Amino acid sequence: GAGVSQSPSNKVTEKGKDVELRCDPISGHTALYWYRQSLGQGLEFLIYFQGNSAPDKSGLPSDRFSAERTGGSVSTLTIQRTQQEDSAVYLCASSLAGGEANERFFGPGTRLTVL
Amino acid sequence: SQKIEQNSEALNIQEGKTATLTCNYTNYSPAYLQWYRQDPGRGPVFLLLIRENEKEKRKERLKVTFDTTLKQSLFHITASQPADSATYLCALDSLYGGSQGNLIFGKGTKLSVKP
Repeated sequence: GAGVSQSPSNKVTEKGKDVELRCDPISGHTALYWYRQSLGQGLEFLIYFQGNSAPDKSGLPSDRFSAERTGGSVSTLTIQRTQQEDSAVYLCASSLAGGEANERFFGPGTRLTVL
Repeated sequence: SQKIEQNSEALNIQEGKTATLTCNYTNYSPAYLQWYRQDPGRGPVFLLLIRENEKEKRKERLKVTFDTTLKQSLFHITASQPADSATYLCALDSLYGGSQGNLIFGKGTKLSVKP
């Protein structure tokens, strides 16, 4: 079956602009996660959705970042007033259920470049 | 809070040898620890999960050990092949008792297997 998909694969934007990144998780997966990966750095947790529960937003670096998940499926990560330090690969993952025991299925990522 | 150290940024070995990668954590022992593989330009792919009460887990040429006394997991690839060249990440839960999803990842070890 289809894996996790993300769009766009690459996004170049100017400083100060808003961007939206999309994630389509694997059908039936109730948990969805956003991470970002900067060059030479590990994966940085951003936000986690589990079913109908309130999302865990503890990893969002600033209030310029927000995410929503509509209908328990597709998720959009929005970055407002982008800054150069926002440049990174943004990875989405889903899992059958939440919790540390469940493997994450990652998408290919969106490479964001802020000029 | 929990921290992970993968103490080799890069590891170069000869084809046919066993590669051993190390993952150390600093605080409490997690209930589960996961290993992922990441190829350039792609999202991480799940390889193995080992539970706190499991000393060792095997899958084909892969072996993972978990030593809660040393606060360490070792990841072995036996009879290594050039196709094993990739970055390997370990991941575990960030909060004692489980945070319902907030896996934290090490920065990874880049393995290069030379023919």
